[in-house]
Amino acid sequence: ETGVTQTPRHLVMGMTNKKSLKCEQHLGHNAMYWYKQSAKKPLELMFVYSLEERVENNSVPSRFSPECPNSSHLFLHLHTLQPEDSALYLCASSQTPILADTQYFGPGTRLTVL
Amino acid sequence: AQKVTQAQTEISVVEKEDVTLDCVYETRDTTYYLFWYKQPPSGELVFLIRRNSFDEQNEISGRYSWNFQKSTSSFNFTITASQVVDSAVYFCALRVYNQGGKLIFGQGTELSVKP
Repeated sequence: ETGVTQTPRHLVMGMTNKKSLKCEQHLGHNAMYWYKQSAKKPLELMFVYSLEERVENNSVPSRFSPECPNSSHLFLHLHTLQPEDSALYLCASSQTPILADTQYFGPGTRLTVL
Repeated sequence: AQKVTQAQTEISVVEKEDVTLDCVYETRDTTYYLFWYKQPPSGELVFLIRRNSFDEQNEISGRYSWNFQKSTSSFNFTITASQVVDSAVYFCALRVYNQGGKLIFGQGTELSVKP
């Protein structure tokens, strides 16, 4: 595997379900990110992790819970979501979270909340 | 406040035409980075270019070229001799020093190249 991978690629869940999105990066990076891409809206940063520590939380509702067990893996745990949470969730990684480092993205998980 | 504007929502061209995608940004920071990403139908954002605020040299990479002009706060992207495989949504993004890891994206331009 190369680059940034995400599983599952598609997920349909009810509002009472609990599910998790997984991201894995094979680039040896130390920073990882979750973004949300909704229809007709710009990509929004949700969380930033650097060396497994959360460094930014962009006012995201608590029904989204991130976890970064090591620098290669990032999870987004979902519970009691709303239909408006349906979106493409993109994971990214960069060498560090500093300004100059380029973020490389995974293919995303298309989430539908019924 | 930081902002990126891509005024062209959709562009349609015929193969082999040249096409320019516009990007205008706003920031009061003197140190910042600009990026372009391509998002094909598969969904993955593909990194195309990174440019820092102190380097106004234009760049060419094959059929792609970028024109960075600080005087007009623009970072435009031109595809020469477009091909069907160029069809995708293209995003311009800004990253400034005091925003941590945050990339501020424009709304994207959907490019459709028809054979």
